[in-house]
Amino acid sequence: GAGVSQSPSNKVTEKGKDVELRCDPISGHTALYWYRQSLGQGLEFLIYFQGNSAPDKSGLPSDRFSAERTGGSVSTLTIQRTQQEDSAVYLCASSRQGGRYEQYFGPGTRLTVT
Amino acid sequence: AQSVAQPEDQVNVAEGNPLTVKCTYSVSGNPYLFWYVQYPNRGLQFLLKYITGDNLVKGSYGFEAEFNKSQTSFHLKKPSALVSDSALYFCAVRDTWQTGANNLFFGTGTRLTVIP
Repeated sequence: GAGVSQSPSNKVTEKGKDVELRCDPISGHTALYWYRQSLGQGLEFLIYFQGNSAPDKSGLPSDRFSAERTGGSVSTLTIQRTQQEDSAVYLCASSRQGGRYEQYFGPGTRLTVT
Repeated sequence: AQSVAQPEDQVNVAEGNPLTVKCTYSVSGNPYLFWYVQYPNRGLQFLLKYITGDNLVKGSYGFEAEFNKSQTSFHLKKPSALVSDSALYFCAVRDTWQTGANNLFFGTGTRLTVIP
């Protein structure tokens, strides 16, 4: 079946602009995660959605970052007033539920802030 | 707090030789442990996981990993390396003691190069 999809694959933006990144999870997966991967570093957790529960926002680095998940499916990560340190690959993952179930990752969105 | 260490940034192995990619972890409760592989310009792919039960787990592409509770390790192994195994490998852990924390905590990755 179809995997996790993300769009755009690449985004170049000017410092101070807002950007929206989209994630389409695997159908039927109730858990959705956003991570950030910076050059030479591991994955940094950003936010987690599980069904209709309140999202776990504990990983968001600042209030410029926000995310929503509509209808328990598609998710959008928004970064307002982008800074150069926001440049990274943003990865979305989904799983059947949280916890013991493996996460399936999308190809990522490479964000470059100039 | 949970953490994962991958002590080797780079591992080189000759094709046909056994390979090991090391991972150690620190958690407050019992761990769920995962290995992922990332090929160039692609997302992470799940290889295998340890949840409970048999300490030796087998996964995709002939990989296996052994959970060692006393050494808090979960090393990834393969008996005979292929050139196509060259990629970036990530170990990840979830601490089951931390209720509500369903995200994975990832190591910084180990780049495996298999030399023909």
